[in-house]
Amino acid sequence: NAGVTQTPKFQVLKTGQSMTLQCAQDMNHEYMSWYRQDPGMGLRLIHYSVGAGITDQGEVPHGYNVSRSTTEDFPLRLLSAAPSQTSVYFCASCDKSSYNSPLHFGNGTRLTVT
Amino acid sequence: SQQGEEDPQALSIQEGENATMNCSYKTSINNLQWYRQNSGRGLVHLILIRSNEREKHSGRLRVTLDTSKKSSSLLITASRAADTASYFCATWDKIIFGKGTRLHILP
Repeated sequence: NAGVTQTPKFQVLKTGQSMTLQCAQDMNHEYMSWYRQDPGMGLRLIHYSVGAGITDQGEVPHGYNVSRSTTEDFPLRLLSAAPSQTSVYFCASCDKSSYNSPLHFGNGTRLTVT
Repeated sequence: SQQGEEDPQALSIQEGENATMNCSYKTSINNLQWYRQNSGRGLVHLILIRSNEREKHSGRLRVTLDTSKKSSSLLITASRAADTASYFCATWDKIIFGKGTRLHILP
């Protein structure tokens, strides 16, 4: 199994540009989530989804959109990038039908907005 | 608001010593999980402790949970250079992490 796959690994955007960060998992997990990690800030939850067609906001949702049309994919969209969105983005998934299931993380996308 | 808060923020110890880090949380939980992050990589799950458990072991890892104090501790025994990483706790509900403990093992 590939686990959680994030693309691209690196991205540079100019202020105002839009882009989509891709996340796919092949473990049939219902729960998927996006985090951003900034130096000294730990991981902050952006958006999450408990299943196809269902999404909800996390701690820092503003400036980001998500959709969950399939169980496998959970893309994160930046509609108008800002320098404050420069960060490392992690996607994660887990089997939330079991209270004993850990999160599985992708390797991250490093985004720089100039 | 952060559900899990790790303490200390940074910890440096000599190789072979034990490392202890703590986690406090705010609401009732089903389980608490500890993760490790090596520099620049995604988090890797280490150990999970259920709310009805008080202590759990996995290799050199020992986790305790005190639900009355809403706190947990992670003990790494006989530390190695490879244990140098950041460590995070997270609780089950909306899975939110704290800022982590940066552990540095000195040779």
